[in-house]
Amino acid sequence: DAGVIQSPRHEVTEMGQEVTLRCKPISGHNSLFWYRQTMMRGLELLIYFNNNVPIDDSGMPEDRFSAKMPNASFSTLKIQPSEPRDSAVYFCASSFHGPQHFGDGTRLSIL
Amino acid sequence: TQLLEQSPQFLSIQEGENLTVYCNSSSVFSSLQWYRQEPGEGPVLLVTVVTGGEVKKLKRLTFQFGDARKDSSLHITAAQPGDTGLYLCAGELNDYKLSFGAGTTVTVRA
Repeated sequence: DAGVIQSPRHEVTEMGQEVTLRCKPISGHNSLFWYRQTMMRGLELLIYFNNNVPIDDSGMPEDRFSAKMPNASFSTLKIQPSEPRDSAVYFCASSFHGPQHFGDGTRLSIL
Repeated sequence: TQLLEQSPQFLSIQEGENLTVYCNSSSVFSSLQWYRQEPGEGPVLLVTVVTGGEVKKLKRLTFQFGDARKDSSLHITAAQPGDTGLYLCAGELNDYKLSFGAGTTVTVRA
């Protein structure tokens, strides 16, 4: 079975550019999570969707970050404009009344 | 500030040795999860412990949840190079939110 699929796997861009990260959750899962992992802060929850509705976005750093889930099989995390301090690995995870299953992440580098 | 403190931060041992990773907090959790993460991949759930004092075994891995449900440990017996990875503990804050520790990087040398 396909797991959580994230794209791109790596992204390198210059500061000020818009960055869009994509996630396809496991089919049938109704909860979707976006996390950010850094050496300094570890793994942090950015936003949580349930049945495509954002439930908790308290972890979103600032207005430059936005996330959408237009349907049950797709979500995006957008950063505009990007800054060097946004460099991190971004994970998407999904679940259905149980443990979270993580994708392999997008390694984002903002120069 | 992280709710869960993991120790040690790094651990390097020889194949065949035993190791223990600790996860401590002043907060009580309804459950605690342990994950292993390999380079370039996402965390993979190893186990969930729910009851205070609970002990779970997964082959050579033994997980224990403290009586007060504030701390946990992971013990690996006769470690193998395949056990190398980042081990993360995560406490369940509510029905969807996890608080992750900073992780312990384990290296098992052949």
